[in-house]
Parts: sequence; structure tokens; C-alpha cells
Amino acid sequence: EVQLLESGGGLVQPGGSLRLSCVVSGFTFSRYAMNWVRQAPGKGLEWVSGLSGSGTNTYYADSVKGRFTISRDNSKNTLFLQMNSPRAEDTARYYCAKSSGVLIAGYYMDVWGKGTTVNVSS
Amino acid sequence: QSALTQEVSVSGTVGQKVTLSCTGNSNNVGSFGVAWYQEIFHGGPKTVMFGNSLPSGIPDRFSGSKSGTTASLTISGLQPEDEADYYCSTWDSSLSVVVFGGGTKLTVL
Repeated sequence: EVQLLESGGGLVQPGGSLRLSCVVSGFTFSRYAMNWVRQAPGKGLEWVSGLSGSGTNTYYADSVKGRFTISRDNSKNTLFLQMNSPRAEDTARYYCAKSSGVLIAGYYMDVWGKGTTVNVSS
Repeated sequence: QSALTQEVSVSGTVGQKVTLSCTGNSNNVGSFGVAWYQEIFHGGPKTVMFGNSLPSGIPDRFSGSKSGTTASLTISGLQPEDEADYYCSTWDSSLSVVVFGGGTKLTVL
């Protein structure tokens, strides 16, 4: 069974830093691209970032570009999202989502984690 | 403002057929397959359709289609458990990002 388990959420001050993790199981991690998607309170889904299976190609939403960094450790079946200089508008539940293929473009998110909540506040 | 446009709300009665739409442009919906995600009361999203392909475990009353720059998700024989928020999504080649619609709240009367 494919499983994605996010962790690392919590309260962080504006301008601070936080690292989210997503440990996966049930599939060959390196063969699939991965994504982070978030949902702010009372809002819809917003794609944050994506990373190809090899880790070579990274993509970011304009809202987080230059502040967040996506990465993966294929030896540990783990996806990361390093959040630097978070803002109040980054407060959201963050979901890890597996791509249906090795790339982001042209594929879809077929399995989702339960999410981890990030609260940016002083 | 979302890159993809969806109805804010749609309603139907049990057993009815409803169609949700998702309108984009030639750089996204017009060029790539569209996925549909179901979210029931912030329980986390679940994939219910990609293009016209049904993921494993999703009932066949769900179907997908596309015409030009508009994709559709049709639920035939609406059930109470279908009440949820539905989001469409695809790749945008001009922006090099994944785009989502604003979501449609489906109410089963």
C-alpha cells in the first residue's frame, strides 16, 4: 500500500524557518516526481512546488519562489520542503502528493498524504 | 484569482446526473490532461479522475471529458457521499507550474 506521511509542521515566526518532511512507502520513490500542495484556512488548494524523480528538475509557485526549497533523499524515501522567511499568508495545511510519473508536466497527483499544519505567527 | 475557472457551487438530488466544468486556456487545459480531486470536509484530497481515466477504487459513476479548453467531470447517479469540494488541476506550459481551479462545492440535496 502506498503511504505518504508528512511531519514538521508547527508554529513558526515570520522570517524564521521550518522544514517539512514526507516519508513515503509502498513504491519505488526515485521513479516518481513529488509535489507539495497547501490549503490555507477557508481557501482552496494551491500547488506549492514539484520535483522530478531524479531531483534534477524543480518547480515553484511564484508565491514561494526564492523562499522555499524542495528536495528529496531517494535513499531515505523522503521528500522535504525547506521554508525560509515564511509569511503569515503561508499559514496552511501542507500536503505531500505523489505524481503518477517521473515528471511533473503532463502527469497528475495520484496519492496524497494527510498533511501537516503550518502556522506562521509572532 | 485561479488560473482555471470552476463553478463556485453545484447541487443535485440523489440519483441525478451533475456536471462540473473547468475552463482554462491553450497552455493548460487545451494541451494537457486534467485531473480532478475530491476533498471531503478537509479530510485531505483524493484523486477521482485524470483525463477520462478512473483511478482504482473510484466508482464508475464518475467520468471525465474535455472539449478544447474546457474539461468536465460528470457524476451519474449522484450519491450522498459525493458531497464534497472538487478541484481541477493541470500543468501550464507557459508558466511552468501546476495550476488549480478555485474549486466547486457540490451539495447533494
